[in-house]
Amino acid sequence: GIQVEQSPPDLILQEGANSTLRCNFSDSVNNLQWFHQNPWGQLINLFYIPSGTKQNGRLSATTVATERYSLLYISSSQTTDSGVYFCAVGVSGGFKTIFGAGTRLFVKA
Amino acid sequence: SAVISQKPSRDICQRGTSLTIQCQVDSQVTMMFWYRQQPGQSLTLIATANQGSEATYESGFVIDKFPISRPNLTFSTLTVSNMSPEDSSIYLCSARTGANVLTFGAGSRLTVL
Repeated sequence: GIQVEQSPPDLILQEGANSTLRCNFSDSVNNLQWFHQNPWGQLINLFYIPSGTKQNGRLSATTVATERYSLLYISSSQTTDSGVYFCAVGVSGGFKTIFGAGTRLFVKA
Repeated sequence: SAVISQKPSRDICQRGTSLTIQCQVDSQVTMMFWYRQQPGQSLTLIATANQGSEATYESGFVIDKFPISRPNLTFSTLTVSNMSPEDSSIYLCSARTGANVLTFGAGSRLTVL
């Protein structure tokens, strides 16, 4: 099956710093989402981005489907950005969504 | 976007018992998905539930352990049967709603003693 690899696995930032999270996938996908899981366990959809670039406030994402990777940019990080960021992909021709292992982010005040 | 409600939000269960988790979507959806998240881990797909047919289980998950019902296009249940401490996890219900976005319920956090 498809492999989804996220890097880095862990990240510690000082408040105000910028960061880039990466998601590599091993096969063609028909959808890709970035989620943030907050410390209370709630999964929040950040972006639905099977291709192209989107921005939402301090967050932006880019997916290059032909090269099988996606990037999530966090600018001017805040302590509330702490949590786990998951990349999740759907394989072309299928309906299942497979999650990467996640990047655990801690933003220090 | 659609709202997905799950209950219970959390429960503490005794070994050997079973618990049924309910999932309600505020709009009709074709497929509903059940995931498990073990402590400190990512999400693993348990099964896909379609109305009117038996659920499709992923490798490592069986119907006897995780029976699923899907009586209509807005509701599904997942039962965790004959629980052991290894079943302590967060169980999440999800569905694809408007514009193909996968949306999750808040999850059901189970602790098995």
